[in-house]
Amino acid sequence: GQQLNQSPQSMFIQEGEDVSMNCTSSSIFNTWLWYKQDPGEGPVLLIALYKAGELTSNGRLTAQFGITRKDSFLNISASIPSDVGIYFCAGLFSGGGADGLTFGKGTHLIIQP
Amino acid sequence: DAGVTQSPTHLIKTRGQHVTLRCSPISGHKSVSWYQQVLGQGPQFIFQYYEKEERGRGNFPDRFSARQFPNYSSELNVNALLLGDSALYLCASLRGTGNTGELFFGEGSRLTVL
Repeated sequence: GQQLNQSPQSMFIQEGEDVSMNCTSSSIFNTWLWYKQDPGEGPVLLIALYKAGELTSNGRLTAQFGITRKDSFLNISASIPSDVGIYFCAGLFSGGGADGLTFGKGTHLIIQP
Repeated sequence: DAGVTQSPTHLIKTRGQHVTLRCSPISGHKSVSWYQQVLGQGPQFIFQYYEKEERGRGNFPDRFSARQFPNYSSELNVNALLLGDSALYLCASLRGTGNTGELFFGEGSRLTVL
């Protein structure tokens, strides 16, 4: 089945630093999404990307849909304490049916004071 | 407006028992999906329902079943529970008719199987 390789597994950064994480796949997707999950909560959608090469921003977050349709990255600029959490990439390939999302294993972001 | 609501929030079962988890989507959303999230992993797709019909199924055994009701709420049933079924079960609703992947997740039902 489809698998997403998400890296890094965890990041320890200082407040104010920029963050970069990425996701690669052996299969193509026609939608890439980035979610954030806080403890005790369900994932929350941050950014959705629908076209190869697309670059989309949401405040301090920027994500890109790789041109090969097999990868995506998420950047966070000027990190703040509330950015702490687990970030998941997710891919969707709608091959005519209603397939579910394939999620990566997550990047755990920890901000040191 | 209320978000996706799930019940129960926590439950403990023993091996061999069955469990029913419930979900109410956001008002106006007609599609519901179920995901299993094992500790330290990303969510894994189990089912998607739209207008009471199953529209997608992940790689889970037949012990897992689900249904959607006329009010668009949904139930996930798991029979003959195994220790490995211990996980956070997430329900998500989807706005619109297309499968955009833009899911709204509930807080989940944490199942522990002893």
